[in-house]
Amino acid sequence: SQQGEEDPQALSIQEGENATMNCSYKTSINNLQWYRQNSGRGLVHLILIRSNEREKHSGRLRVTLDTSKKSSSLLITASRAADTASYFCATDEVVANSGYALNFGKGTSLLVTP
Amino acid sequence: DTGVSQDPRHKITKRGQNVTFRCDPISEHNRLYWYRQTLGQGPEFLTYFQNEAQLEKSRLLSDRFSAERPKGSFSTLEIQRTEQGDSAMYLCASSLEVRGLGYTFGSGTRLTVV
Repeated sequence: SQQGEEDPQALSIQEGENATMNCSYKTSINNLQWYRQNSGRGLVHLILIRSNEREKHSGRLRVTLDTSKKSSSLLITASRAADTASYFCATDEVVANSGYALNFGKGTSLLVTP
Repeated sequence: DTGVSQDPRHKITKRGQNVTFRCDPISEHNRLYWYRQTLGQGPEFLTYFQNEAQLEKSRLLSDRFSAERPKGSFSTLEIQRTEQGDSAMYLCASSLEVRGLGYTFGSGTRLTVV
């Protein structure tokens, strides 16, 4: 089953605006990751935030994590048309012995219009 | 080595036929993962390898699915007696063993069963 649930499912904004996507999850986590996927392509790792971190920045990306609410948000500032893609949050969980695998949500589809 | 390679990019097969996909991970990555993604959904975990050992298989992986990673290098995913419900994007990812690192995904193999 999919762990994370992104909100909203779809988001449409104009270039220059900020885009905020939220993710909720169910179990305890070691870290939470955000990925981007262009249509028909593989996923690209954007940013990772550990469970003991509350906020992290990378370029125009800002991620927050609230472990008490089991939620995270991804903010893309000054969006560009090239940011159009689907964005997924993923949490890692134990799958076998000491092994871990990422569990993805259903994603937010972002459309940035010029 | 520029990333994770998957072959073929697209595969159309008739129901009942067998198909095999290949994944070449980043050479220094000892963990390799297979995911399946259907339209509008996030990737779903199928199985993963640490070196040549297959450590976990999802319940999504029926008896018709088999994966191998001989010598801990490339991996193959075979689907026997394909069904229309197998139509999906099959994604491969690799990572180092250290927990808390992002995955590097390939571009995926899109399977269409007609």
